[in-house]
Amino acid sequence: DGGITQSPKYLFRKEGQNVTLSCEQNLNHDAMYWYRQDPGQGLRLIYYSQIVNDFQKGDIAEGYSVSREKKESFPLTVTSAQKNPTAFYLCASSIYRTGTYEQYFGPGTRLTVT
Amino acid sequence: EDKVVQSPLSLVVHEGDTVTLNCSYEVTNFRSLLWYKQEKKAPTFLFMLTSSGIEKKSGRLSSILDKKELFSILNITATQTGDSAVYLCAVEANQAGTALIFGKGTTLSVSS
Repeated sequence: DGGITQSPKYLFRKEGQNVTLSCEQNLNHDAMYWYRQDPGQGLRLIYYSQIVNDFQKGDIAEGYSVSREKKESFPLTVTSAQKNPTAFYLCASSIYRTGTYEQYFGPGTRLTVT
Repeated sequence: EDKVVQSPLSLVVHEGDTVTLNCSYEVTNFRSLLWYKQEKKAPTFLFMLTSSGIEKKSGRLSSILDKKELFSILNITATQTGDSAVYLCAVEANQAGTALIFGKGTTLSVSS
């Protein structure tokens, strides 16, 4: 089945450690995105990538880094510089078809940093 | 600054009620408005609206866009407990490389 996978589902880390969240898609979508969701807030864009080997900062990129070496993969690293890393992280990919825009989301990774 | 505002932030109704969720927006170079339903995990796509006045319908859910007044509504008729979720409105602006601007969501609780 085609879709987006994120792993792991739950992740626990100690403060000061970097952690990498995985996002893979087999939908052949060019564009991929990372969002963060906190309680009571809408999704906020961290980074996005429109094509391989290119990515752009979103609204809250500080303390995060990404890479896009392959079309299928868009891993997100939460660095120790991120002040409030505990959150629910959603990866998405999108494609424009004739007259329609489709964005698909992965199941998410819940990161807890103590 | 681009923004998307949803109202109400939360809503509690009884099964069988009809609800209307609101989404207003201010964005530069509007391209489309999307509605998502988020239950426990990731949002699922409901509707994409690009033209004013054309209702999109899927079962008991429907949505319409007013590009003059810059808002959209999502209607759910004959609500069921399975409709309980957070409903997210997102707007896409026609800027190079942008993603979606999301509202904070409306939390709908349907009691039996």
